[in-house]
Amino acid sequence: DGGITQSPKYLFRKEGQNVTLSCEQNLNHDAMYWYRQDPGQGLRLIYYSQIVNDFQKGDIAEGYSVSREKKESFPLTVTSAQKNPTAFYLCASRTGGTTDFGSGTRLTVV
Amino acid sequence: AQSVTQLGSHVSVSEGALVLLRCNYSSSVPPYLFWYVQYPNQGLQLLLKYTTGATLVKGINGFEAEFKKSETSFHLTKPSAHMSDAAEYFCAVSDRVGGAQKLVFGQGTRLTINP
Repeated sequence: DGGITQSPKYLFRKEGQNVTLSCEQNLNHDAMYWYRQDPGQGLRLIYYSQIVNDFQKGDIAEGYSVSREKKESFPLTVTSAQKNPTAFYLCASRTGGTTDFGSGTRLTVV
Repeated sequence: AQSVTQLGSHVSVSEGALVLLRCNYSSSVPPYLFWYVQYPNQGLQLLLKYTTGATLVKGINGFEAEFKKSETSFHLTKPSAHMSDAAEYFCAVSDRVGGAQKLVFGQGTRLTINP
């Protein structure tokens, strides 16, 4: 079945550590996105990529980095510069007018 | 830039009652509008979308929404609520920036169904 796979489902990070969230899609979609979800704030765009080897900052890119070396993969790194990383992170991909979402990664700072 | 406002962060209805979730948008161009549903600790599932054509859009699970340009609204309705409808619902508008399309979301409405 085609879809978007995010891993891990739960992730714990110590203060000062970088962590990488995985996102893989087999839908052959060109565009991919990372959103952050906090209670009562909806989803906010972190980074997006239209094609391989190209990506743009979204509304809240500070403290995050991404890469797009393959069409299928769009990993997100949460760096130590992100002061409040505890949140639910959603990866998405799009073709035409429809955007599909992965099942999310819940990141907690311990 | 586009924006979306969902009126009411929490809505509670009885089982069998009408569900009405409100969404207003701002857009300088004809919008593409979406409603998504999210169950706890899961991703978003598309309920329905409006692009062009008929302003009353039918979606999955018995939901529908009507695009009203004069009111800049895209409210979501379901005639009879079911316990399984309890979830968080997000309205979104498609925004185009520098040739790229992205979704702009409202803050979400948590729907509770009372037995």
